[in-house]
Amino acid sequence: DTGVSQDPRHKITKRGQNVTFRCDPISEHNRLYWYRQTLGQGPEFLTYFQNEAQLEKSRLLSDRFSAERPKGSFSTLEIQRTEQGDSAMYLCASSFGIGNEQFFGPGTRLTVL
Amino acid sequence: KNEVEQSPQNLTAQEGEFITINCSYSVGISALHWLQQHPGGGIVSLFMLSSGKKKHGRLIATINIQEKHSSLHITASHPRDSAVYICAVSKIAGNQFYFGTGTSLTVIP
Repeated sequence: DTGVSQDPRHKITKRGQNVTFRCDPISEHNRLYWYRQTLGQGPEFLTYFQNEAQLEKSRLLSDRFSAERPKGSFSTLEIQRTEQGDSAMYLCASSFGIGNEQFFGPGTRLTVL
Repeated sequence: KNEVEQSPQNLTAQEGEFITINCSYSVGISALHWLQQHPGGGIVSLFMLSSGKKKHGRLIATINIQEKHSSLHITASHPRDSAVYICAVSKIAGNQFYFGTGTSLTVIP
C-alpha cells in the first residue's frame, strides 16, 4: 500500500492558464475528498466523491473548478483561467465508507503568477 | 464565524514541557479528528474521537461532547513534536472535514 498520491507536487503557472491535478487514493477506498489550504490557514473542503459520484461541492468551488472521478478510482481537479487567488495547497484524501479515518496525500502546491 | 476554533494559534515550549492545545466546535459532529502537519504539507491523522479519551505514546486526546470541546495533550514534549496541529470535525452527513486554523507548535531543545 503506497498511500494516497498526488501529481504534480508543485505547479507554477501564469494567470489565465488551465491546470489539472491528479489524485490516486488508497485502492480500496470508495470516498475521495479535495481540500484547499492557503498559507497560515486550515484546509477548506472543496468537494467529495463516493465511487464515481460527486456528492457535494462547496460554494468555494466556483464554475472555474471541476472535479471528476470517472471510474471511481483516481480523481482529477481542473482549474480553468487561473487567478492569483487560486494559489494554495490542494490536498486530496480518501477513506473507506462513512465515519472512518481519512488518509491524506502530500498535496499539490499551486503558484499562480 | 468558523465552526471549529483552536487555541492557541502559536505555541513555543521548552523540551520536556506538558503541552495542551484546545479545540471548540459549534456544530453536530460524528467525530473529531486531531491531525499533524509538517512543513511541506503532509497531513497525518493522530486521533479520531467520538467520545472519551484516547492515548498513543506521549499524545493524549480528550473530548467532551456536551461542551463541544476537545484537547490534545503532549507529555514530555520533544523538538520532533514541532509541527502544526489541526483539529477537524466530520459532520453526520458526508463525512467531509471542517478544519480549525491550526496550532503551530515549536519545541525548543
